[in-house]
Amino acid sequence: DGGITQSPKYLFRKEGQNVTLSCEQNLNHDAMYWYRQDPGQGLRLIYYSQIVNDFQKGDIAEGYSVSREKKESFPLTVTSAQKNPTAFYLCASSSARRDTQYFGPGTRLTVL
Amino acid sequence: GESVGLHLPTLSVQEGDNSIINCAYSNSASDYFIWYKQESGKGPQFIIDIRSNMDKRQGQRVTVLLNKTVKHLSLQIAATQPGDSAVYFCAVFSNSGYSTLTFGKGTMLLVSP
Repeated sequence: DGGITQSPKYLFRKEGQNVTLSCEQNLNHDAMYWYRQDPGQGLRLIYYSQIVNDFQKGDIAEGYSVSREKKESFPLTVTSAQKNPTAFYLCASSSARRDTQYFGPGTRLTVL
Repeated sequence: GESVGLHLPTLSVQEGDNSIINCAYSNSASDYFIWYKQESGKGPQFIIDIRSNMDKRQGQRVTVLLNKTVKHLSLQIAATQPGDSAVYFCAVFSNSGYSTLTFGKGTMLLVSP
C-alpha cells in the first residue's frame, strides 16, 4: 500500500519546546516538501528537498528545521523560535521537482 | 513571483447540478496547473492536472479548462454529489527558477441534497 504517512495526527506543544513532525513515503519519490496551512489561507512552503542530504528553504522557513538522511523520510522540527506555530502541517512528495505533488494526511500542531 | 487567486471563497450547489470553480494566475510563464480537493481535516487529494500545451482535459466527472490569454483556469464537476463537498485548490508551476508550486486560497464547495 503506497503512500505518504505523517505522525502524529495531533500534537500539542508547550511554549519554548521543540517538536518534530514525522513524514515517510514509500513511493520512491526523490522530492519531498513541507507546507503550512492556516485557516482561510493557501498552502505555504516551509522547506523542500530534491535529493537525500540536500534541502532548501521555502517561503517561510524561519523557526523550522529539516533533515533528509534517507530518501523516504523528511522530518520537520518546529523550534521555539517559531513565534506562531499553531497550524496544520502537510508533507508532500513528487517523483521529480516539476511533477505532481502528493500529500500526506497532515499533522495539526497546537501550542498550549 | 506568482500569485494565484480564486474568484469565490464559497460555492453552494444542489446535488445533480454542474459546478464550476475558477482560478486566476498572474505569471504568463506558468506552464503546469493542478487541481486538488481537500476534505475537512485531511490532506489535499490530486484531482486533475493540465499543461500549458493543452486547453482542456477531462477526467471522471471532472474537466479542467485553461485560458492562457486571460490567465484563467476552471474546474468543472458534472452531476455534483454530496461527497464532492470539500475545499478545492488550484496550484500553479511557473517555468522560472526552481519553480515551486503556488497555491490559491481555495473555494469551498457545498453540495446540498
